[in-house]
Amino acid sequence: AQSVTQPDIHITVSEGASLELRCNYSYGATPYLFWYVQSPGQGLQLLLKYFSGDTLVQGIKGFEAEFKRSQSSFNLRKPSVHWSDAAEYFCAVGAAGSNYKLTFGKGTLLTVNP
Amino acid sequence: DGGITQSPKYLFRKEGQNVTLSCEQNLNHDAMYWYRQDPGQGLRLIYYSQIVNDFQKGDIAEGYSVSREKKESFPLTVTSAQKNPTAFYLCASSLGGAREAFFGQGTRLTVV
Repeated sequence: AQSVTQPDIHITVSEGASLELRCNYSYGATPYLFWYVQSPGQGLQLLLKYFSGDTLVQGIKGFEAEFKRSQSSFNLRKPSVHWSDAAEYFCAVGAAGSNYKLTFGKGTLLTVNP
Repeated sequence: DGGITQSPKYLFRKEGQNVTLSCEQNLNHDAMYWYRQDPGQGLRLIYYSQIVNDFQKGDIAEGYSVSREKKESFPLTVTSAQKNPTAFYLCASSLGGAREAFFGQGTRLTVV
């Protein structure tokens, strides 16, 4: 069965600082990987996705993520954080072997200090 | 505008009652999903449907039921058998296969 681990429950950064949110997955074959963002009381918005090809993927709002098969990781990065980036971030994995159901990590809450 | 509409946004249920959460999409998506979200727990899959008139249990289906009579609709019933129903419920849809899911704005259910 597939699984996702987001090791950091809560991260605090200063506005303008760089950001990296960690995501590790467990799955035998090549997974489909996603990052979503959620503001309080709202639904989830897709930031970016990896299916195949280039391991560095660009998303919306200036985010990028890199798929590293050797480390089973798909970390999310942003070079300069804005106060509006404060939210909860979820990594998710899907796979053909599980009918493409998405399995989510428990999320990382990002706080941005002025 | 295309999207996923969940209603109501807030729902209160008395002990022993069944309640139904609505989810409608006009994206022409084949697949639809229901997730439950609790603080610190991420999203857990309740039920999913890949095609009309067919659905499968997810990881936490006990105490819930669904139907998929129309492509655009996937209502979720929280039955009295669900012992701890207070949570945030999210509906999602996708084109199916390895495609991203799009989410509604959620329904917050509270037992009173």
